[in-house]
Amino acid sequence: DSGVTQTPKHLITATGQRVTLRCSPRSGDLSVYWYQQSLDQGLQFLIQYYNGEERAKGNILERFSAQQFPDLHSELNLSSLELGDSALYFCASSVSGTVNTGELFFGEGSRLTVL
Amino acid sequence: GESVGLHLPTLSVQEGDNSIINCAYSNSASDYFIWYKQESGKGPQFIIDIRSNMDKRQGQRVTVLLNKTVKHLSLQIAATQPGDSAVYFCAERERRGSQGNLIFGKGTKLSVKP
Repeated sequence: DSGVTQTPKHLITATGQRVTLRCSPRSGDLSVYWYQQSLDQGLQFLIQYYNGEERAKGNILERFSAQQFPDLHSELNLSSLELGDSALYFCASSVSGTVNTGELFFGEGSRLTVL
Repeated sequence: GESVGLHLPTLSVQEGDNSIINCAYSNSASDYFIWYKQESGKGPQFIIDIRSNMDKRQGQRVTVLLNKTVKHLSLQIAATQPGDSAVYFCAERERRGSQGNLIFGKGTKLSVKP
């Protein structure tokens, strides 16, 4: 158990809908990262928050947004969903704002299926 | 558990043999590299890391080798066990000023035959 909690584990929805994925980082970790893992793209970095502020942005679509709350949990919002958004979405956390030690702890992921 | 289902290169080894998983990275400016293991239905788990000022690092049953000349990284697993069956990802940290994000490779699936 990495200590990172993601909900829901599975989500099935229709095209055009909006969903919210939630992540609670490990106790004491200030950074939260979101990754998308799809069949043909592997693990793609989406966005990082550190202590409530956006730190880095990767290949995140404009239809997607995220935030980190004062209690450090984070939410990833996916809107106007398309079939191609079906993927595993992972949250990871770390103590610092920069990956220095490899100690990026991943949750077990949220599997999104868009029908 | 559910599998990742990626179309991945697969390495099949006999239990007890040594495994070598290779990875080519893309950015010569990357200064830090990590290997992760992802078991079916779980998130990636840190195995071992190496900084660009090193060419070899050893852990428990695992060794990472870094060849910066050809931008190649390898993970060696000694005496491979059935519990080592998983997808293995290398990741590079692309240095951008004071920041850096991990870029993951596509992964290699390791299957261990008993």
